[in-house]
Amino acid sequence: AQSVTQLGSHVSVSEGALVLLRCNYSSSVPPYLFWYVQYPNQGLQLLLKYTTGATLVKGINGFEAEFKKSETSFHLTKPSAHMSDAAEYFCAVSVIYSSASKIIFGSGTRLSIRP
Amino acid sequence: KAGVTQTPRYLIKTRGQQVTLSCSPISGHRSVSWYQQTPGQGLQFLFEYFSETQRNKGNFPGRFSGRQFSNSRSEMNVSTLELGDSALYLCASSLGETGFGYTFGSGTRLTVV
Repeated sequence: AQSVTQLGSHVSVSEGALVLLRCNYSSSVPPYLFWYVQYPNQGLQLLLKYTTGATLVKGINGFEAEFKKSETSFHLTKPSAHMSDAAEYFCAVSVIYSSASKIIFGSGTRLSIRP
Repeated sequence: KAGVTQTPRYLIKTRGQQVTLSCSPISGHRSVSWYQQTPGQGLQFLFEYFSETQRNKGNFPGRFSGRQFSNSRSEMNVSTLELGDSALYLCASSLGETGFGYTFGSGTRLTVV
């Protein structure tokens, strides 16, 4: 069965510092992986996704993630944090059934940015 | 193009009542999924509709139901509301193929008192 584990429910970094949010997945088949961001009282916005092909995926707002099959990881990074990056981030994996699919979300990581 | 529209944005109901939430997907999207988000349980999958048929269902009691119309709009109904049903209910639409991911609406914040 597919699952997602996000390491660290809360991460705090200084403005301008590297952002690293960790995500490990479990999947018996090649996974489709996603990172979503959620601002307070809003829905989830897709940051980036990995389906097939290039393992380094670039997303919006300067974020990127690398799919590492050997480590079953899909960590999210951004070289320089901005105050507007403060939000909750969710890693997710697609679960594929015979004729349907759903997305399983991790428990989320709240990112705080220190001035 | 317009995004996923959920109505209403906020709702307050009394225990025992029922509620209906609405979701209009992105034009052309045929799949609509519903999620419940609470601080304690996180994001939990409720169900997915595709071309008016429920093709996937999460582990929620029968009080939670949904439907999808021919124009892909979807409604979700919760009967006999309980305090624990207080949550942000999120709707997401997609083309129906796994790799595209979902586009989420802003959600409906339901408070049961």
